[in-house]
Amino acid sequence: SYELTQPPSVSVSPGQTASISCSGDKLGDKYACWYQQKPGQSPVLVIYQDLKRPSGIPERFSGSNSGDTATLTISRTQAMDEADYYCQAWDSSTAWVFGGGTKLTVL
Amino acid sequence: QVQLQESGPGLAKPSETLSLTCTVSGHSINSDYYWGWIRQPPGKGLEWIGSISHSGSTYYNPSLKSRVTISVDTSKNEFSLKLSSVTAADTAVYYCARDRRGGDGFDMWGQGTMVTVSS
Repeated sequence: SYELTQPPSVSVSPGQTASISCSGDKLGDKYACWYQQKPGQSPVLVIYQDLKRPSGIPERFSGSNSGDTATLTISRTQAMDEADYYCQAWDSSTAWVFGGGTKLTVL
Repeated sequence: QVQLQESGPGLAKPSETLSLTCTVSGHSINSDYYWGWIRQPPGKGLEWIGSISHSGSTYYNPSLKSRVTISVDTSKNEFSLKLSSVTAADTAVYYCARDRRGGDGFDMWGQGTMVTVSS
Protein backbone atom coordinates (compact mmCIF):
# COMPACT_ATOMS: atom_id res chain seq x y z
CA SER A 1 0.00 0.00 0.00
CA TYR A 2 1.10 3.55 -0.63
CA GLU A 3 2.28 5.65 2.30
CA LEU A 4 2.93 9.34 2.91
CA THR A 5 5.32 10.48 5.63
CA GLN A 6 5.22 13.86 7.37
CA PRO A 7 7.30 15.23 10.26
CA PRO A 8 5.23 15.16 13.46
CA SER A 9 5.94 18.77 14.26
CA VAL A 10 7.36 21.98 12.81
CA SER A 11 8.00 25.22 14.65
CA VAL A 12 8.25 28.70 13.18
CA SER A 13 8.53 32.25 14.47
CA PRO A 14 5.83 34.76 13.54
CA GLY A 15 6.58 36.48 10.24
CA GLN A 16 8.95 33.74 9.12
CA THR A 17 8.47 31.01 6.51
CA ALA A 18 7.29 27.53 7.48
CA SER A 19 7.89 24.50 5.30
CA ILE A 20 6.14 21.19 5.86
CA SER A 21 7.28 18.16 3.89
CA CYS A 22 5.39 15.09 2.74
CA SER A 23 7.30 12.16 1.29
CA GLY A 24 6.19 9.14 -0.69
CA ASP A 25 7.52 6.94 -3.44
CA LYS A 26 7.48 8.93 -6.70
CA LEU A 27 5.05 11.38 -5.12
CA GLY A 28 6.02 13.89 -7.78
CA ASP A 29 4.25 11.70 -10.34
CA LYS A 30 0.98 12.13 -8.45
CA TYR A 31 -1.06 15.14 -7.43
CA ALA A 32 -0.75 16.30 -3.81
CA CYS A 33 -3.26 18.19 -1.70
CA TRP A 34 -2.89 19.85 1.69
CA TYR A 35 -5.39 20.41 4.49
CA GLN A 36 -5.34 22.65 7.53
CA GLN A 37 -7.16 21.48 10.66
CA LYS A 38 -7.54 23.59 13.77
CA PRO A 39 -8.58 22.04 17.11
CA GLY A 40 -12.20 20.97 17.15
CA GLN A 41 -12.75 21.93 13.51
CA SER A 42 -13.10 20.09 10.23
CA PRO A 43 -10.17 20.04 7.81
CA VAL A 44 -9.93 22.82 5.23
CA LEU A 45 -8.40 22.30 1.78
CA VAL A 46 -5.57 24.82 1.34
CA ILE A 47 -3.70 23.40 -1.68
CA TYR A 48 -4.79 21.07 -4.49
CA GLN A 49 -3.11 19.80 -7.65
CA ASP A 50 0.26 20.39 -5.95
CA LEU A 51 0.15 24.18 -6.00
CA LYS A 52 -3.34 25.58 -6.60
CA ARG A 53 -5.16 27.52 -3.87
CA PRO A 54 -8.95 27.30 -3.42
CA SER A 55 -10.73 30.63 -3.31
CA GLY A 56 -10.39 32.28 0.07
CA ILE A 57 -7.01 30.76 0.90
CA PRO A 58 -4.35 33.45 1.40
CA GLU A 59 -1.52 33.77 -1.10
CA ARG A 60 0.85 33.08 1.79
CA PHE A 61 0.07 29.40 1.27
CA SER A 62 1.92 27.72 -1.58
CA GLY A 63 2.81 24.21 -2.62
CA SER A 64 5.29 22.27 -4.69
CA ASN A 65 5.80 18.63 -5.60
CA SER A 66 8.79 16.95 -7.19
CA GLY A 67 10.62 13.66 -6.92
CA ASP A 68 9.53 11.96 -3.72
CA THR A 69 8.55 15.07 -1.79
CA ALA A 70 5.68 17.53 -1.73
CA THR A 71 6.09 20.70 0.31
CA LEU A 72 3.62 23.14 1.81
CA THR A 73 5.13 26.56 2.37
CA ILE A 74 3.54 29.23 4.52
CA SER A 75 5.10 32.67 4.11
CA ARG A 76 4.86 35.44 6.69
CA THR A 77 3.44 32.95 9.16
CA GLN A 78 0.83 34.24 11.55
CA ALA A 79 -0.45 32.96 14.88
CA MET A 80 -3.70 32.00 13.14
CA ASP A 81 -1.76 29.52 10.98
CA GLU A 82 -1.04 27.34 14.01
CA ALA A 83 -2.80 24.06 13.22
CA ASP A 84 -2.34 20.47 12.09
CA TYR A 85 -1.55 20.06 8.42
CA TYR A 86 -2.19 16.91 6.39
CA CYS A 87 -0.95 16.02 2.95
CA GLN A 88 -2.95 13.77 0.67
CA ALA A 89 -2.31 12.07 -2.62
CA TRP A 90 -4.17 9.99 -5.13
CA ASP A 91 -2.64 6.59 -5.86
CA SER A 92 -4.03 4.29 -8.54
CA SER A 93 -3.94 1.23 -6.26
CA THR A 94 -5.10 2.67 -2.94
CA ALA A 95 -6.97 5.78 -4.14
CA TRP A 96 -6.84 8.50 -1.49
CA VAL A 97 -4.00 8.38 1.02
CA PHE A 98 -3.35 10.84 3.85
CA GLY A 99 -0.08 11.58 5.54
CA GLY A 100 0.13 11.28 9.30
CA GLY A 101 -0.12 15.01 9.89
CA THR A 102 2.22 17.76 11.09
CA LYS A 103 1.55 20.04 14.01
CA LEU A 104 2.67 23.57 13.16
CA THR A 105 3.56 25.67 16.16
CA VAL A 106 4.00 29.42 15.80
CA LEU A 107 6.30 30.44 18.63
CA GLN B 1 -23.59 27.50 -0.33
CA VAL B 2 -22.82 23.80 -0.11
CA GLN B 3 -23.32 22.27 3.31
CA LEU B 4 -22.86 18.70 4.47
CA GLN B 5 -24.29 17.34 7.72
CA GLU B 6 -23.55 13.96 9.25
CA SER B 7 -26.17 12.19 11.35
CA GLY B 8 -26.48 8.90 13.14
CA PRO B 9 -26.00 7.17 16.49
CA GLY B 10 -23.08 8.33 18.58
CA LEU B 11 -22.65 4.90 20.10
CA ALA B 12 -22.19 1.49 18.52
CA LYS B 13 -21.68 -1.87 20.18
CA PRO B 14 -18.71 -4.08 19.35
CA SER B 15 -19.34 -6.52 16.48
CA GLU B 16 -22.37 -4.52 15.31
CA THR B 17 -22.76 -2.25 12.30
CA LEU B 18 -22.14 1.49 12.44
CA SER B 19 -24.51 3.51 10.25
CA LEU B 20 -24.22 7.18 9.34
CA THR B 21 -25.91 9.47 6.84
CA CYS B 22 -24.66 12.65 5.21
CA THR B 23 -27.26 15.14 4.01
CA VAL B 24 -26.13 17.58 1.33
CA SER B 25 -27.78 20.98 0.99
CA GLY B 26 -27.17 23.85 -1.39
CA HIS B 27 -25.92 21.50 -4.10
CA SER B 28 -27.40 18.58 -5.97
CA ILE B 29 -25.76 15.28 -5.27
CA ASN B 30 -26.58 14.52 -8.91
CA SER B 31 -23.43 16.15 -10.18
CA ASP B 32 -19.99 15.22 -11.44
CA TYR B 33 -18.54 15.06 -7.96
CA TYR B 34 -18.01 12.06 -5.76
CA TRP B 35 -19.01 12.07 -2.10
CA GLY B 36 -16.81 10.58 0.55
CA TRP B 37 -16.34 9.50 4.15
CA ILE B 38 -13.22 10.19 6.19
CA ARG B 39 -12.61 9.38 9.86
CA GLN B 40 -10.26 10.58 12.58
CA PRO B 41 -9.67 8.61 15.79
CA PRO B 42 -9.23 10.79 18.88
CA GLY B 43 -5.85 12.50 18.80
CA LYS B 44 -4.87 10.82 15.54
CA GLY B 45 -4.76 11.55 11.83
CA LEU B 46 -7.22 11.37 8.96
CA GLU B 47 -8.18 8.13 7.24
CA TRP B 48 -10.17 8.01 4.02
CA ILE B 49 -12.89 5.34 4.15
CA GLY B 50 -14.49 5.46 0.72
CA SER B 51 -16.39 7.52 -1.84
CA ILE B 52 -19.44 7.23 -4.10
CA SER B 53 -20.80 8.94 -7.20
CA HIS B 54 -24.42 9.94 -7.76
CA SER B 55 -24.81 6.89 -9.98
CA GLY B 56 -23.59 4.58 -7.24
CA SER B 57 -20.04 3.94 -8.39
CA THR B 58 -17.90 3.33 -5.33
CA TYR B 59 -14.28 3.03 -4.37
CA TYR B 60 -13.05 2.08 -0.95
CA ASN B 61 -9.93 2.12 1.18
CA PRO B 62 -8.48 -1.37 0.64
CA SER B 63 -7.83 -1.75 4.36
CA LEU B 64 -11.53 -1.28 5.17
CA LYS B 65 -13.15 -2.55 1.99
CA SER B 66 -14.36 -5.86 3.45
CA ARG B 67 -16.41 -4.04 6.11
CA VAL B 68 -17.61 -0.91 4.30
CA THR B 69 -20.70 -0.17 2.25
CA ILE B 70 -21.46 3.30 0.94
CA SER B 71 -24.77 4.03 -0.76
CA VAL B 72 -26.50 7.07 -2.23
CA ASP B 73 -30.10 8.26 -2.24
CA THR B 74 -30.41 11.00 -4.84
CA SER B 75 -34.10 11.60 -4.03
CA LYS B 76 -33.07 12.69 -0.53
CA ASN B 77 -29.79 14.27 -1.63
CA GLU B 78 -27.90 12.13 0.84
CA PHE B 79 -25.39 9.32 1.03
CA SER B 80 -24.72 6.79 3.75
CA LEU B 81 -21.99 4.74 5.37
CA LYS B 82 -22.24 1.31 6.91
CA LEU B 83 -19.24 -0.18 8.69
CA SER B 84 -19.70 -3.72 9.95
CA SER B 85 -18.11 -5.73 12.74
CA VAL B 86 -16.92 -2.64 14.56
CA THR B 87 -14.38 -2.69 17.38
CA ALA B 88 -13.00 -0.03 19.70
CA ALA B 89 -10.49 0.80 16.96
CA ASP B 90 -13.36 2.22 14.91
CA THR B 91 -14.05 4.89 17.53
CA ALA B 92 -13.54 8.17 15.70
CA VAL B 93 -14.98 11.40 14.42
CA TYR B 94 -16.56 10.57 11.07
CA TYR B 95 -16.65 13.26 8.40
CA CYS B 96 -18.47 13.37 5.09
CA ALA B 97 -17.00 15.50 2.33
CA ARG B 98 -17.26 16.36 -1.35
CA ASP B 99 -14.66 14.39 -3.27
CA ARG B 100 -13.37 16.05 -6.42
CA ARG B 101 -11.19 13.05 -7.21
CA GLY B 102 -7.84 13.01 -8.89
CA GLY B 103 -5.68 15.82 -7.64
CA ASP B 104 -8.47 18.11 -6.54
CA GLY B 105 -9.08 16.79 -3.05
CA PHE B 106 -12.03 17.16 -0.70
CA ASP B 107 -13.18 20.75 -0.89
CA MET B 108 -16.26 20.78 1.32
CA TRP B 109 -16.58 18.99 4.67
CA GLY B 110 -19.27 18.33 7.21
CA GLN B 111 -18.72 19.25 10.84
CA GLY B 112 -18.09 15.63 11.79
CA THR B 113 -19.84 13.30 14.18
CA MET B 114 -18.23 11.35 17.01
CA VAL B 115 -18.95 7.64 17.11
CA THR B 116 -17.84 5.60 20.10
CA VAL B 117 -17.71 1.82 19.95
CA SER B 118 -18.37 0.42 23.40
CA SER B 119 -20.54 -2.16 25.09
